[in-house]
Amino acid sequence: NAGVTQTPKFRVLKTGQSMTLLCAQDMNHEYMYWYRQDPGMGLRLIHYSVGEGTTAKGEVPDGYNVSRLKKQNFLLGLESAAPSQTSVYFCASSYSVTGEDGNYGYTFGSGTRLTVV
Amino acid sequence: AQKVTQAQTEISVVEKEDVTLDCVYETRDTTYYLFWYKQPPSGELVFLIRRNSFDEQNEISGRYSWNFQKSTSSFNFTITASQVVDSAVYFCALSEGMDTGRRALTFGSGTRLQVQP
Repeated sequence: NAGVTQTPKFRVLKTGQSMTLLCAQDMNHEYMYWYRQDPGMGLRLIHYSVGEGTTAKGEVPDGYNVSRLKKQNFLLGLESAAPSQTSVYFCASSYSVTGEDGNYGYTFGSGTRLTVV
Repeated sequence: AQKVTQAQTEISVVEKEDVTLDCVYETRDTTYYLFWYKQPPSGELVFLIRRNSFDEQNEISGRYSWNFQKSTSSFNFTITASQVVDSAVYFCALSEGMDTGRRALTFGSGTRLQVQP
């Protein structure tokens, strides 16, 4: 049971190049999220999705696009990378409802370290 | 808007000392969840604890304990008899939109804990 898998784990891009980060989950979660983590700022929400075919903007969406064509996959795209997008990117997923035990939780991927030079 | 404040940027203690990490949150939601995550130097996010807004019972798990107080909007985390392996960045997080369906996490900026031998 893999949980949430992020691909790639590391990448170096030149300014202006494009790339896509892939997030895949095998838990049948409805909700998926992309965060970026910068030093001293914690994790900030870029985009999220509440179901297949739907996406919405988070706190810091500029410069990124996302797609959720399949329930298990959530793609994060950088059309023209900038040095300001150098960061560690985390994907997460969760169910749409609280569990019968009253709990709610998130599963995170291991992160993608992206450097834009 | 949701907000999580971790006022302590960095804490340094000597092994076996007790240490408390502070977390203050703001939300208008009536239903929400609070989380603590640990991020060791390897970079992954490790889930530590979750509390829902209706459960103010404090919890102790081994050397870890948590104090949730809705009256002061605080969710503090204490490590008793700290060890070098506790050295990490600790994040407090608040789920948002449990009532509206957004359900994304808002993170604090993190507290870096260094435990010296």
